[in-house]
Amino acid sequence: DAGVTQSPTHLIKTRGQQVTLRCSPKSGHDTVSWYQQALGQGPQFIFQYYEEEERQRGNFPDRFSGHQFPNYSSELNVNALLLGDSALYLCASRPSGYLNYGYTFGSGTRLTVV
Amino acid sequence: GDSVTQMEGPVTLSEEAFLTINCTYTATGYPSLFWYVQYPGEGLQLLLKATKADDKGSNKGFEATYRKETTSFHLEKGSVQVSDSAVYFCALGSGNTGKLIFGQGTTLQVKP
Repeated sequence: DAGVTQSPTHLIKTRGQQVTLRCSPKSGHDTVSWYQQALGQGPQFIFQYYEEEERQRGNFPDRFSGHQFPNYSSELNVNALLLGDSALYLCASRPSGYLNYGYTFGSGTRLTVV
Repeated sequence: GDSVTQMEGPVTLSEEAFLTINCTYTATGYPSLFWYVQYPGEGLQLLLKATKADDKGSNKGFEATYRKETTSFHLEKGSVQVSDSAVYFCALGSGNTGKLIFGQGTTLQVKP
């Protein structure tokens, strides 16, 4: 049973560019969240999607946007990239209605902005 | 707002030593508490969880007890192995979406 799958694994972009990261949740999971993990820090919540809608958003600017598709997969888009956006981006999923279940995380996309 | 504080690392232990990583939290309501582990170059893996006061989560020899009176969820293991070397994150599930709020992580290095 595949877990959470993220693509690409690594990415290098130039300041000002736009990037799209992709995530396929674990089978049976329909709620997807995205986190940003800067080097040496704990992950920070970006937003959560359920039923193709953004349900909650963390303290991130509007340059960060997302989408969830009918098959529950999700994309994270970041516009006008800044050097400070360099980080590991983690996707996590869980079944809806199971707040205490704990999230399953993917291996992440390492984004480097130069 | 809700927050999690972990003891600073790195923590360096010899194999078979006893491990404690301290974690305290601030939250409204009664959050679920989690420990995640991150091996080099990988994502996070759920290690254990507790959903209410006095619950004890356990997995792979690791244990943590949800202490509401001290707002703590300390991670313990009686005898660590080299393979336990990793970064450990304490987290709480916040609000009606259960978003996770993480501590800053504690690096554990176990030497043979």
